[in-house]
Amino acid sequence: GENVEQHPSTLSVQEGDSAVIKCTYSDSASNYFPWYKQELGKGPQLIIDIRSNVGEKKDQRIAVTLNKTAKHFSLHITETQPEDSAVYFCAASSGDDKIIFGKGTRLHILP
Amino acid sequence: EAGVTQFPSHSVIEKGQTVTLRCDPISGHDNLYWYRRVMGKEIKFLLHFVKESKQDESGMPNNRFLAERTGGTYSTLKVQPAELEDSGVYFCASSQVIGGTEAFFGQGTRLTVV
Repeated sequence: GENVEQHPSTLSVQEGDSAVIKCTYSDSASNYFPWYKQELGKGPQLIIDIRSNVGEKKDQRIAVTLNKTAKHFSLHITETQPEDSAVYFCAASSGDDKIIFGKGTRLHILP
Repeated sequence: EAGVTQFPSHSVIEKGQTVTLRCDPISGHDNLYWYRRVMGKEIKFLLHFVKESKQDESGMPNNRFLAERTGGTYSTLKVQPAELEDSGVYFCASSQVIGGTEAFFGQGTRLTVV
């Protein structure tokens, strides 16, 4: 089955700097890669997703890249702000049903 | 429009007791999923309903867990009898279409078995 690895587990960046979270997946059949943000006391919320026919997608300060050959995908947050502090999960799905999650990255934005 | 709601938000029970978690998906969403996050680990898939039918229950840990979705609306997840290792946060999610579309998550139920 699919296995998603996520790094780092914890990341601290100065406010205004960029943050990068990296993931790898094992199943070449995976074709949908969502990223979720979880704030304290809330459920995961989709912030951006990318499909396997696209190499990069951007939405304001957030961008995702996908390298199908290497089975890598990454989340980039630029000009980080205090409200970006949260746990971020990468995930992969082959489009059948279940989403397989990484272990999460706790992002701290330092003042 | 209401999102995915879960009840209760927290539950503390003793080992051996029974607990029932409830999930109300977004109205009109045929797909309903249960996930669980044990402390510090990934969010793991438990099972998937399409309407009232179990599409995939490969993630259910053992037969102490029973999920139902009568009438294809809300779902319940019962743990009986609960063990210490069942502690974690149980998430429910729903989506309109299978595969490659946004799944909306509830806020989760934090279950603590003591």
